[in-house]
Amino acid sequence: LAKTTQPISMDSYEGQEVNITCSHNNIATNDYITWYQQFPSQGPRFIIQGYKTKVTNEVASLFIPADRKSSTLSLPRVSLSDTAVYYCLVGPPGGYSTLTFGKGTMLLVSP
Amino acid sequence: NAGVTQTPKFQVLKTGQSMTLQCAQDMNHNSMYWYRQDPGMGLRLIYYSASEGTTDKGEVPNGYNVSRLNKREFSLRLESAAPSQTSVYFCASSEARGSGSLREETQYFGPGTRLLVL
Repeated sequence: LAKTTQPISMDSYEGQEVNITCSHNNIATNDYITWYQQFPSQGPRFIIQGYKTKVTNEVASLFIPADRKSSTLSLPRVSLSDTAVYYCLVGPPGGYSTLTFGKGTMLLVSP
Repeated sequence: NAGVTQTPKFQVLKTGQSMTLQCAQDMNHNSMYWYRQDPGMGLRLIYYSASEGTTDKGEVPNGYNVSRLNKREFSLRLESAAPSQTSVYFCASSEARGSGSLREETQYFGPGTRLLVL
């Protein structure tokens, strides 16, 4: 199982771009990378998922270098409502039974 | 389309009491999961069900039982609650899509059940 490492916390201000990096040195060939967001008192919510290069949706971008040993979640122009915990998960398709939600990265956005 | 629903939202139990947490999804997903989340911690998998009729243990199954009643419903039972089971419990469901290197799977979570065992 690919172990992930991400910062425990990050601080930002409204309107800034935030990049959260996740390290996964032993990622397997068929693993994909998924990011979830969790607000207090709510269940995690899917943000973005990718296998290689760059993926973009209406909420975020995910950058994956060629060696896939790390990935970066990019949140453009954050607002106060982006304050949440962000989890990086790495695993094979259909492998949620084996994935581990670590402590994630607590992002605090200030005015 | 309600997604994943959980009942109850809150529950207080005394040590030794039993209860069942209910979960239902209306997305026709095959896989369902039960997690617990303790303060300041990530989610830990208790049990999961890859398909109707099958259940398997996760990381922390002791003290719990599950039932996959049908494709929609997956319940979690505490036979004899203990204070160590005070936590927030989340149910989730997922379905894979695509194939080969494009195969992906996303989990959808319920709102959670807050359980306090005294």
